[in-house]
Amino acid sequence: GAVVSQHPSWVICKSGTSVKIECRSLDFQATTMFWYRQFPKQSLMLMATSNEGSKATYEQGVEKDKFLINHASLTLSTLTVTSAHPEDSSFYICSAGKTGLNTEAFFGQGTRLTVV
Amino acid sequence: DAKTTQPPSMDCAEGRAANLPCNHSTISGNEYVYWYRQIHSQGPQYIIHGLKNNETNEMASLIITEDRKSSTLILPHATLRDTAVYYCIVIITSGSARQLTFGSGTQLTVLP
Repeated sequence: GAVVSQHPSWVICKSGTSVKIECRSLDFQATTMFWYRQFPKQSLMLMATSNEGSKATYEQGVEKDKFLINHASLTLSTLTVTSAHPEDSSFYICSAGKTGLNTEAFFGQGTRLTVV
Repeated sequence: DAKTTQPPSMDCAEGRAANLPCNHSTISGNEYVYWYRQIHSQGPQYIIHGLKNNETNEMASLIITEDRKSSTLILPHATLRDTAVYYCIVIITSGSARQLTFGSGTQLTVLP
């Protein structure tokens, strides 16, 4: 099956610094990728939709200036958490899918962010 | 997308079949039923999906009732590695990938 890879798998950063998370579709092109966030013992919540070559679409309550998304190519989307705070500590997951009917979404392995 | 209801948790003995139910009484005719699972601290993994016919693949079987208001995911011979949160999601699929709305899911614990 198709593979979506995230990097890094985990990261620890200091408050006030920025962290970049990469999401790559390894064997297919993805014009659209999605970014989710998951807090402990909770379900995944969609943060934003990343569109290749255009601006990302953010869900209500997600600050676009804090969570910068760049989708510069058909195989790479990046999420940058700017000026990170401890409350941004979470599990961040991206997904992508092939174009076509009845296709499933493929998820990255997730990135565990801890802000200290 | 139609809302789904799943039991919060289930246990299953190793080697036995695990039957995970899902209610989606407001499903519309063009919505598919998808199942994903999430093993702790990993990204979700696709399992199976269907529209109205029963489906089977190497991982599981999906049984959808005739009125399509509920479905059951069956893991025929559960192993300890099947312990995970299982999500039932109803979605209209189109020509492009869509975001998924995750509910609370069912925590399946396979017991030795």
